[in-house]
Amino acid sequence: DARVTQTPRDKVTEMGQEVTMRCQPILGHNTVFWYRQTMMQGLELLAYFRNRAPLDDSGMPKDRFSAEMPDATLATLKIQPSEPRDSAVYFCASGLVAGMYNEQFFGPGTRLTVL
Amino acid sequence: TQLLEQSPQFLSIQEGENLTVYCNSSSVFSSLQWYRQEPGEGPVLLVTVVTGGEVKKLKRLTFQFGDARKDSSLHITAAQPGDTGLYLCAGRKYSGAGSYQLTFGKGTKLSVIP
Repeated sequence: DARVTQTPRDKVTEMGQEVTMRCQPILGHNTVFWYRQTMMQGLELLAYFRNRAPLDDSGMPKDRFSAEMPDATLATLKIQPSEPRDSAVYFCASGLVAGMYNEQFFGPGTRLTVL
Repeated sequence: TQLLEQSPQFLSIQEGENLTVYCNSSSVFSSLQWYRQEPGEGPVLLVTVVTGGEVKKLKRLTFQFGDARKDSSLHITAAQPGDTGLYLCAGRKYSGAGSYQLTFGKGTKLSVIP
């Protein structure tokens, strides 16, 4: 039963600290997405990769957020320095996107609290 | 400005009742998806609709894509407590060969009371 995994599931940190969230996409999927979900804004796309190449990170605050995919089994989202307004649930999703087919499989999320 | 507006935001109904939730936009989408999200989990895809006017059924759930591909509805017949969750619609816009991203609505939070 292939699933997207994310670590950690919960993270509480203090303002100014660095936070790194990790995602293992489903083997064979060619596209990886990072989303942030809050009550106010809903689910927002931060960045995505296709075949490990970054395609769009326009949804990310670039001064503090960075997303990388060092290999096909690992995607990372880093926040440095973290701020209280970054508190949210961060989801990674992967998919085998081709033509009109665009199903995304979501991980369980990382709940981030910045104090 | 939210590209996809979902209504209602919250819905609480008794088991056995029928309901419809809506997803509306002023933009045209090449396809539209519905996801269900349970507390503490990520969204799970229910259906994808791609043709204007298309209707798809998934057991007690009926999904419709508007003729102009700007809106969609989800109808649940005889709701059950297991239908409780956040229902999200997500649209994929025409933007050439590189259009891989989805835009999500804020969702309808459904509670079905036994």
